[in-house]
Amino acid sequence: GAGVSQSPSNKVTEKGKDVELRCDPISGHTALYWYRQSLGQGLEFLIYFQGNSAPDKSGLPSDRFSAERTGGSVSTLTIQRTQQEDSAVYLCASSLGTNQPQHFGDGTRLSIL
Amino acid sequence: EDQVTQSPEALRLQEGESSSLNCSYTVSGLRGLFWYRQDPGKGPEFLFTLYSAGEEKEKERLKATLTKKESFLHITAPKPEDSATYLCAVQSPYTASNQFYFGTGTSLTVIP
Repeated sequence: GAGVSQSPSNKVTEKGKDVELRCDPISGHTALYWYRQSLGQGLEFLIYFQGNSAPDKSGLPSDRFSAERTGGSVSTLTIQRTQQEDSAVYLCASSLGTNQPQHFGDGTRLSIL
Repeated sequence: EDQVTQSPEALRLQEGESSSLNCSYTVSGLRGLFWYRQDPGKGPEFLFTLYSAGEEKEKERLKATLTKKESFLHITAPKPEDSATYLCAVQSPYTASNQFYFGTGTSLTVIP
């Protein structure tokens, strides 16, 4: 079956521009997570959606970062006024429930010039 | 603060040379411990979930075990295709988001 799909796979943009990253979770998965992975670093939790509950935004590093999940399915992570330190791989994962294994997409590699 | 530590950071093995990777954790309580494999340019691929001390899971040349404070991923007679970064993650029931805490991984290279 189809796995988690992320787009674009690569994004290069200039400092100060806004970017949108998209995640299509596995059908039927109610939980959706966004992570950031920098070279040599562990996965950094950003935000978590579970069903229709209010998202847990506790991992967002600044108010330039926001995310939404429409209709309990597709999610978009938006970064406004990008900075060079935002360069990283952004990974999305989905799971059947909150204590179930997460299944990851292949990520979006974001490069800020 | 909850923490997950993986060791070693990097491991080079000859094909057929068995070894173990370690994941130690200090989370308050444990809802689950998860092992993943990550290949370059790819997202982590789920391998195992362990929920309680004494539990073991096996898949091909890999076996994961769990104690109260650490987990081991044993690799028996590895092959070059086992080369990857292996990540562990733990889930605490005391975090509102049921957040997963990931270690920084062990980079495994198996030499033919």
